[in-house]
Amino acid sequence: DARVTQTPRHKVTEMGQEVTMRCQPILGHNTVFWYRQTMMQGLELLAYFRNRAPLDDSGMPKDRFSAEMPDATLATLKIQPSEPRDSAVYFCASGLSDTQYFGPGTRLTVL
Amino acid sequence: QKEVEQNSGPLSVPEGAIASLNCTYSDRVSQSFFWYRQYSGKSPELIMSIYSNGDKEDGRFTAQLNKASQYVSLLIRDSQPSDSATYLCAVPNAGKSTFGDGTTLTVKP
Repeated sequence: DARVTQTPRHKVTEMGQEVTMRCQPILGHNTVFWYRQTMMQGLELLAYFRNRAPLDDSGMPKDRFSAEMPDATLATLKIQPSEPRDSAVYFCASGLSDTQYFGPGTRLTVL
Repeated sequence: QKEVEQNSGPLSVPEGAIASLNCTYSDRVSQSFFWYRQYSGKSPELIMSIYSNGDKEDGRFTAQLNKASQYVSLLIRDSQPSDSATYLCAVPNAGKSTFGDGTTLTVKP
């Protein structure tokens, strides 16, 4: 049963610290998405890749967020420096064509 | 106007009733539509996709699409307490999807 995996599942950090979240997409999927979900904003698209190439990162605060896909089995989302307003659940999803399969998410708390 | 709008919730129905979830979208060129279910504290899970006008049935779930009215709905027949979740409508465009804010459904025993 192929699944998207994300690490860590939970992260508590202090303001100003660097946070790195990792995602392993489903093998064979050519598109990877990063989303952020909060009660207030719902599900927001931060960035996405197709065949490892970044296609759109307009949803990310550029000064502190960065997303990369160093190889087909790993996508990363980095926040540096983190701020309390970054507290949210971050989901990675992978897919083919228009379908998307979500990972379990990383719950980030920035104190 | 939001690109994808869902009927405001929360929606509460008694067990065994039909739950109707609605979604409208603004982009007329959209060709495919998806429904995701998200249990509290969990990630969204794809439950239905629909590409053509009309109805598509899968067990107790029926998706309905009307492209002329830019409207897609999800009907859940014989609702069960286990159907209690937030349902998200997603409309792909240019390789990415726009999600609605979701409708939270509660099925009361």
